Amino acid sequence: DIQMTQSPSSLSASVGDRVTITCRASQSISRYLNWYQQKPGKAPKLLIYAASSLQSGVPSRFSGSGSGTDFTLTISSLQPEDFATYYCQQSYSSPTFGQGTKLQIK
Amino acid sequence: EVQLVESGGGLVQPGRSLRLSCAASGFTFDDYAMHWVRQAPGKGLEWVSGIGWKSGNIGYADSVKGRFTISRDNAKNSLYLQMNSLRTEDTALYYCAKDYRAVTGTGNAFDFWGQGTMVTVSS
Repeated sequence: DIQMTQSPSSLSASVGDRVTITCRASQSISRYLNWYQQKPGKAPKLLIYAASSLQSGVPSRFSGSGSGTDFTLTISSLQPEDFATYYCQQSYSSPTFGQGTKLQIK
Repeated sequence: EVQLVESGGGLVQPGRSLRLSCAASGFTFDDYAMHWVRQAPGKGLEWVSGIGWKSGNIGYADSVKGRFTISRDNAKNSLYLQMNSLRTEDTALYYCAKDYRAVTGTGNAFDFWGQGTMVTVSS
């Protein structure tokens, strides 16, 4: 299985901040990388697919980049509704997720 | 509006079986692959199994291979997960998730999710 490692595991930030979350794959996965947002008690929501494609309805302050083994999710200006846990997921082989990054209010 | 509604969860003893169902609406069910993804209490996400639009391209996580069976009934817009030989480590919230493609495999993504059904395996 391909292992996905996110960093940091938790992050404190303020409204308006620019935030970057990193995801590293244990082997090259080309651009087969998706990002999800999960709020407490809710199902995950797809934000970004194929490394950089914005899912319909997702605000443009979310962006993704990377290829091979290293990927980033960037939120350009944090909004109150963005405080949540974020997961990366590789789709190069049998899907696996990162351990999650919990984004908290500073 | 896409809706995925899971059912069938509950408390079950180790070694017993349980069958989960997912009722889909708001999209053409037989045009898309479908998946089960689980989340143990307080933990991260784990893909369990996926099935293509015509019940092909079936895949399982190593942790459930040989014990769980995924299936679908396109006439009933329903997805199923038969879980046998349940273990305590199978305790989790099980989500039904729609793929944005017709087939499972490289390039999949889960674009809609249900609210989940809880499975607790305990004696």
